[in-house]
Amino acid sequence: NAGVTQTPKFQVLKTGQSMTLQCAQDMNHEYMSWYRQDPGMGLRLIHYSVGAGITDQGEVPNGYNVSRSTTEDFPLRLLSAAPSQTSVYFCASSRGQGLYGYTFGSGTRLTVV
Amino acid sequence: QQQVKQSPQSLIVQKGGISIINCAYENTAFDYFPWYQQFPGKGPALLIAIRPDVSEKKEGRFTISFNKSAKQFSLHIMDSQPGDSATYFCAATRITGTASKLTFGTGTRLQVTL
Repeated sequence: NAGVTQTPKFQVLKTGQSMTLQCAQDMNHEYMSWYRQDPGMGLRLIHYSVGAGITDQGEVPNGYNVSRSTTEDFPLRLLSAAPSQTSVYFCASSRGQGLYGYTFGSGTRLTVV
Repeated sequence: QQQVKQSPQSLIVQKGGISIINCAYENTAFDYFPWYQQFPGKGPALLIAIRPDVSEKKEGRFTISFNKSAKQFSLHIMDSQPGDSATYFCAATRITGTASKLTFGTGTRLQVTL
C-alpha cells in the first residue's frame, strides 16, 4: 500500500547511544518532515526537506540530524540520546507545499533510559 | 510559545450530539488551516481544511468555521458517533517559498459515548 513507512515502531535506548529512525515514502512527494509528539504539546517540527539534497531546521532541531539523498527516504538521526528525547516520532510527506495535506507514518515510540 | 491554542483538552459527547473544538492563532501570516484526526497508535490523518478567505467549509458531518478578524477557527462534528472518538488537532500552515511549516495545536481528546 502506498504511504509513509516508519521503522522501527518501538525502540529503547540508553542515554548517550545513537540511532537512526527510518522513513520512506512511495508517493513521489517532494516535501518530507519529522515531528515529535509529546503529551499536552501537540506535534512539533524537528527538521524538514523540500527535496533531495535540501534540508532545514524546524522548531526543535537540537540533538537531531537529517539528510535527504533520495526523494523516497528521509532518516532522522539521534546523535547522543537523552531522556528528554523520549517521545513518539512521526514522519510526514506531502505533495508540493502541503496544501493537499500531509501523509503521516504510524510513528516510532522511543524511550531513552 | 504556542502559536496555535486549542481547547478543550478533552471532550465527552453523547452519540448524536455536536462536538465543538476551538482554536485561536496569533500569526496572521498563516496560509491554510487544516484539522487532523488521530486514532491511538496511528499517525494523524487530514480530516478537513480551510483557507483564510473562506468563512465556512463543510464536508459531511464535519464543518470548519473560520473567523479571520478574531483569528479563531473551530471544528464542529454533527451527529457525533462512537467511531469519531479520537484526538483532534487543529493546525496552521505557513508557506515560505517552496517550503511549508505546519504548526499544531495541543490536541483535543474526544470521546463519544453511547
